[in-house]
Amino acid sequence: NAGVTQTPKFQVLKTGQSMTLQCAQDMNHEYMSWYRQDPGMGLRLIHYSVGAGITDQGEVPNGYNVSRSTTEDFPLRLLSAAPSQTSVYFCASSYGPMSTDTQYFGPGTRLTVL
Amino acid sequence: DAKTTQPTSMDCAEGRAANLPCNHSTISGNEYVYWYRQIHSQGPQYIIHGLKNNETNEMASLIITEDRKSSTLILPHATLRDTAVYYCRWGNSGGSNYKLTFGKGTLLTVNP
Repeated sequence: NAGVTQTPKFQVLKTGQSMTLQCAQDMNHEYMSWYRQDPGMGLRLIHYSVGAGITDQGEVPNGYNVSRSTTEDFPLRLLSAAPSQTSVYFCASSYGPMSTDTQYFGPGTRLTVL
Repeated sequence: DAKTTQPTSMDCAEGRAANLPCNHSTISGNEYVYWYRQIHSQGPQYIIHGLKNNETNEMASLIITEDRKSSTLILPHATLRDTAVYYCRWGNSGGSNYKLTFGKGTLLTVNP
């Protein structure tokens, strides 16, 4: 299994541009999440999904959209990039929703918005 | 999300035990304590979790106080590769792991 994969690894955008961060997992996990991590900070939850077709907002959802058309993929869209969205983005998945289910994280996407 | 208190940073000599504390004084009776770590530039990695009994796996041991208000992650023989940020997080067993967030964690530096 490849686990959780994310593309691209690095991205530079100009203010106002849009883009999609890709996340895929091959473990047949129902539960997936997107986090952002800023320097010196912990991870903050952006959006999450409990299965195909079902998504919901996390702690910091503004400026981001998600969709979940398949179990495997959970893309994160930046609608109009802003410098405040410069961050490292992590995608995570787990088999179940319970706190006892281990979350598996991808390697991250490092985004810079100029 | 539940609030935890961890020291900002700790140092440990290579080969010695690293003991990382976490305060979770408002934890409730059915909530688990989880530890993850994040090696520089990588995604977080699960280490261990527990409810009330001490736990051990191939990576670490977890000691939870009897009143469950704090816990300690123990890396018995720290190596240079254990240098990372260690996160303590906790949540209800009936809750949702995908909603749990992370605090700032403890930066453990293992020195040669």
